[in-house]
Amino acid sequence: EPEVTQTPSHQVTQMGQEVILRCVPISNHLYFYWYRQILGQKVEFLVSFYNNEISEKSEIFDDQFSVERPDGSNFTLKIRSTKLEDSAMYFCASSDTSPLHFGNGTRLTVT
Amino acid sequence: AQSVTQPDIHITVSEGASLELRCNYSYGATPYLFWYVQSPGQGLQLLLKYFSGDTLVQGIKGFEAEFKRSQSSFNLRKPSVHWSDAAEYFCAVAPTGANNLFFGTGTRLTVIP
Repeated sequence: EPEVTQTPSHQVTQMGQEVILRCVPISNHLYFYWYRQILGQKVEFLVSFYNNEISEKSEIFDDQFSVERPDGSNFTLKIRSTKLEDSAMYFCASSDTSPLHFGNGTRLTVT
Repeated sequence: AQSVTQPDIHITVSEGASLELRCNYSYGATPYLFWYVQSPGQGLQLLLKYFSGDTLVQGIKGFEAEFKRSQSSFNLRKPSVHWSDAAEYFCAVAPTGANNLFFGTGTRLTVIP
C-alpha cells in the first residue's frame, strides 16, 4: 500500500536555526498538509496545499513557517528561526479526496 | 465554537473486555468523521470513517463506530480488546467541504492482562 514518507525521523536543532522537514506524499494525491503535535497535546492543523499554493492555514502557521513543493514528489516545511516551543512531532499528510493519509512524523527537538 | 471533544484522557481495560471511546463534535452541519490510532513513536493510522449513509461503520482491527446525529457523537467500540490495541486514539472531523482535519485531544488506551 502506498505510504507517505517523512525524513528525518528525528531532528535536533539549536534555537534560531532554520530547519527543513521533508515529505514524500502518495504519488497520485493532490492535497498536502502539515500538522503538529506538541508532546502530550492534540494534533493541530498547520497548513494545506493544493495546486502549488496554500489553500488554508491556521493561526499557528505564521511568517516563520513556509511550505514548498520543489519538485514533483517532495513537499517541505521550513521553519526559519526555530524557537523552543517549536519542539513537536510534525506530521505530513496527503489525500486525493478524503481521508488523509499520514506519515510517521518527524520529531523536532529545539535546544 | 467548532470543537471536537474526547472526554476520556486515559482508559484502562482488561484484555478481552469490551471498549467504548467517546467523541462529541460541535459543528454547524454534519461533518465527515474519523477515528485514527497512534501507536508509540508511530504515525496516525486511519481506523474508520463516516461520510454518510449507514450510521454504524466498520473499520480495521475489529473496530466499529456509530454516528448519532441527535447526540453529535461518534463513539468508537470494540467488543473484545487485544493487548496490541494499547495506543492513543484520536477522533477527528472534517467540516463538510473542507479538506483539513480537526482532532480531539486523544484518549490513551492501556490494556492490562
